[in-house]
Amino acid sequence: EPEVTQTPSHQVTQMGQEVILRCVPISNHLYFYWYRQILGQKVEFLVSFYNNEISEKSEIFDDQFSVERPDGSNFTLKIRSTKLEDSAMYFCASIRGGGAVGTQYFGPGTRLLVL
Amino acid sequence: AQSVTQLGSHVSVSEGALVLLRCNYSSSVPPYLFWYVQYPNQGLQLLLKYTSAATLVKGINGFEAEFKKSETSFHLTKPSAHMSDAAEYFCAVSVNYGGSQGNLIFGKGTKLSVKP
Repeated sequence: EPEVTQTPSHQVTQMGQEVILRCVPISNHLYFYWYRQILGQKVEFLVSFYNNEISEKSEIFDDQFSVERPDGSNFTLKIRSTKLEDSAMYFCASIRGGGAVGTQYFGPGTRLLVL
Repeated sequence: AQSVTQLGSHVSVSEGALVLLRCNYSSSVPPYLFWYVQYPNQGLQLLLKYTSAATLVKGINGFEAEFKKSETSFHLTKPSAHMSDAAEYFCAVSVNYGGSQGNLIFGKGTKLSVKP
């Protein structure tokens, strides 16, 4: 069964450093999402991406964040200058799209720790 | 705007007992509702979804949920709990924007423990 993959599984970084989280969505999916889950809190939407542009973003997704689909398979989330409060589990998700209410398939997540 | 409230951050049941996890939603337009399960150190896996067809939705692993518009609820149930059901369960709401599915709004989650 096809699945969403994410790398790395864990990342530790120093405050102020840039990090790039990588995702490979399911190959025939058209809509891509990033969510995050701060320890002990709910899963929060960050951004959605379709047709090579952001279709929706939350207030969390400020100028420090960016997303990119650099090639036909990868979908990346960049945090330009990490803050302590960026420590969280980051989930990528994808969906086929096309009108029907489909299922968002989630990757296993990247646990980011900012020191 | 949509929102989800899950009552009870922790629920503990005995093996073989009924599982009931509560979810109430708020939405200004007809919602789509989902239950996801998260096992330790894993991603989110879809259990079931409501998309305005049948109000009683059956999912994987013996779970089901009933959409009740009058109560704005979408509670998750399973007649008989197994040890393997121990996990965190998330209710989520979404709306469909002209054919493309919007983002998911999640509840805070309910951690289910199953006692032998």
